[in-house]
Amino acid sequence: DIQMTQSPSSLSASVGDRVTITCQASQDIYNHLNWYQQKAGKAPKLLIYDASNLEIGVPSRFSGSGSGTDFTFSISSLQPEDLATYYCQQYRSLPITLGQGTRLEIK
Amino acid sequence: EVQLVESGGGLVQPGGSLRLTCATSGFTIITHWTHWFRQPPGQGLVWVARLDADGSDTAYADSVKGRFTVSGDTATNTVYLQMDSLRTDDTAVYYCARDAPHRRIDPWGPGTLVTVSS
Repeated sequence: DIQMTQSPSSLSASVGDRVTITCQASQDIYNHLNWYQQKAGKAPKLLIYDASNLEIGVPSRFSGSGSGTDFTFSISSLQPEDLATYYCQQYRSLPITLGQGTRLEIK
Repeated sequence: EVQLVESGGGLVQPGGSLRLTCATSGFTIITHWTHWFRQPPGQGLVWVARLDADGSDTAYADSVKGRFTVSGDTATNTVYLQMDSLRTDDTAVYYCARDAPHRRIDPWGPGTLVTVSS
């Protein structure tokens, strides 16, 4: 199975800050990497697919980059509504595996 | 609009069975794979199973292989997850989700809670 290591596990930032989350795969997953946002008590929502493509309707302050084993997710200017847990997920092969999640708090 | 809605969750004793239902609309399960994920209380997301209704092909996480069975009704576009020999560590919110082009898993249903406890 491909292991996904996501960091940090939690972070606290202020409105307007730039926030960055990293995700490392245990083997080459090309660009088959998605990022999800999950708000408390809700289902996950797809933000980024194929490592760097913004899902339709998602604000442009969200972005992703990387390929191979190292990936980055960023929020350029943090907004109050971005309070959530964020997950990376590989779909290079089954079983699909996800990172442990990053809990984002607003200062 | 593509939608998925899970139902069938509840409280069950260890060793018992439960069948979850994923009602879909806005797409056909023959043309899109469907996945089940779960999320134990306070923990992260875990992939459980995938259904390829066109090819009647299935895949499972090792933790549920031999105990869970995913199936689909192409006439009603409904996906099922039959869960047998349930254990306390199967307690989780269970989500179904569509497999979309470019390996996007989207959208997800709101989830249904399964609690395995005596």
